[in-house]
Amino acid sequence: KNQVEQSPQSLIILEGKNCTLQCNYTVSPFSNLRWYKQDTGRGPVSLTIMTFSENTKSNGRYTATLDADTKQSSLHITASQLSDSASYICVVSAVTGANNLFFGTGTRLTVIP
Amino acid sequence: NAGVTQTPKFQVLKTGQSMTLQCAQDMNHNSMYWYRQDPGMGLRLIYYSASEGTTDKGEVPNGYNVSRLNKREFSLRLESAAPSQTSVYFCASSEVGPANGYTFGSGTRLTVV
Repeated sequence: KNQVEQSPQSLIILEGKNCTLQCNYTVSPFSNLRWYKQDTGRGPVSLTIMTFSENTKSNGRYTATLDADTKQSSLHITASQLSDSASYICVVSAVTGANNLFFGTGTRLTVIP
Repeated sequence: NAGVTQTPKFQVLKTGQSMTLQCAQDMNHNSMYWYRQDPGMGLRLIYYSASEGTTDKGEVPNGYNVSRLNKREFSLRLESAAPSQTSVYFCASSEVGPANGYTFGSGTRLTVV
């Protein structure tokens, strides 16, 4: 069964600190993995997208890693800011199938002053 | 600004009432999607339209109908709303191909009482 699991469910950190969010998946055959940021009351916004051959990708203070062998990804946030408070969703795409996007339930990050 | 526009942002319905959620994109994308987001669950695909003139069921299509009015617009209709359809609904669009990113609208929060 194709699944995407994220941990932790929620996280509270102090402004300026770093944090790492985890994503494990069982989606096969794998096409790509995306991380989205979803602010409260808004739609998800893409942060990174990685294919099978990529093992790291950065977008400003966000760095995503992918280990396709162990089917794990992480999103590292450096020097957190209050505006980083949001839900972060891991989405894995399969190669085949019309309905080929599998969504994690997200990690709710709260950055406090 | 380019993107996906959804209307309305909020709606309260009584059980049995009908309504249509509107979605329009101005990025000339071929594919459009309707998702619902419920607490503790990942986004689930309701219906999608791979291209103008085609629509297909997703993971949770029961109780919904869709219309791809033209390349820009993709509407979602609830013929007889039920409390189980209380959710946040997101429209998204993308270019054809699993490697392309999805652009999401800001969502419609629907409550059925």
